[in-house]
Amino acid sequence: ETGVTQSPTHLIKTRGQQVTLRCSSQSGHNTVSWYQQALGQGPQFIFQYYREEENGRGNFPPRFSGLQFPNYSSELNVNALELDDSALYLCASSRDSRHFQETQYFGPGTRLLVL
Amino acid sequence: QQQVKQSPQSLIVQKGGISIINCAYENTAFDYFPWYQQFPGKGPALLIAIRPDVSEKKEGRFTISFNKSAKQFSLHIMDSQPGDSATYFCAALGGQGFSFIFGKGTRLLVKP
Repeated sequence: ETGVTQSPTHLIKTRGQQVTLRCSSQSGHNTVSWYQQALGQGPQFIFQYYREEENGRGNFPPRFSGLQFPNYSSELNVNALELDDSALYLCASSRDSRHFQETQYFGPGTRLLVL
Repeated sequence: QQQVKQSPQSLIVQKGGISIINCAYENTAFDYFPWYQQFPGKGPALLIAIRPDVSEKKEGRFTISFNKSAKQFSLHIMDSQPGDSATYFCAALGGQGFSFIFGKGTRLLVKP
């Protein structure tokens, strides 16, 4: 186990609703990245937070937003849910230098189903 | 240019055999190439990784072969075991990116 925890493990929402997913990073890690993994696909980068600020963003619309807290835990918020948002959402934590960026530890993910 | 193409999509190997998964990339700025293993219900876990200045890296039964000129790299699993049955992802990091670009994955089944 990596020490990265995510909650909830599963979630069912309806189209148009909003959802908040949570991630606790591994001890000593101050960088959190979020990924979306659609069924049968590789993870796709959503965004990254470093010391409570967004440090980079992938090709996702603004209705995907996030927060990082002083204890380096993080939230992913998705507004106006669409059916295509159904996926496994993964967070990964790492240290803050470029070297440690390479060693990202993934949590088990939250599986979101949008009906 | 940001894509990492992975093949095959699925692979069936007999116990004791060699599993080979291939990946190709376009962006020459990539400078770190990990392989991740993912079991159902779990997040990806780092298996082995290589940098472009090395042509091969071996850790136990897992070997990465890297061909810089062809912009290709592959994972070899020697003496494959049923416990190796999982989905494997190649990835790349570097250039202006700070996040991994993942391949689409290979579902490996090792038959007893």
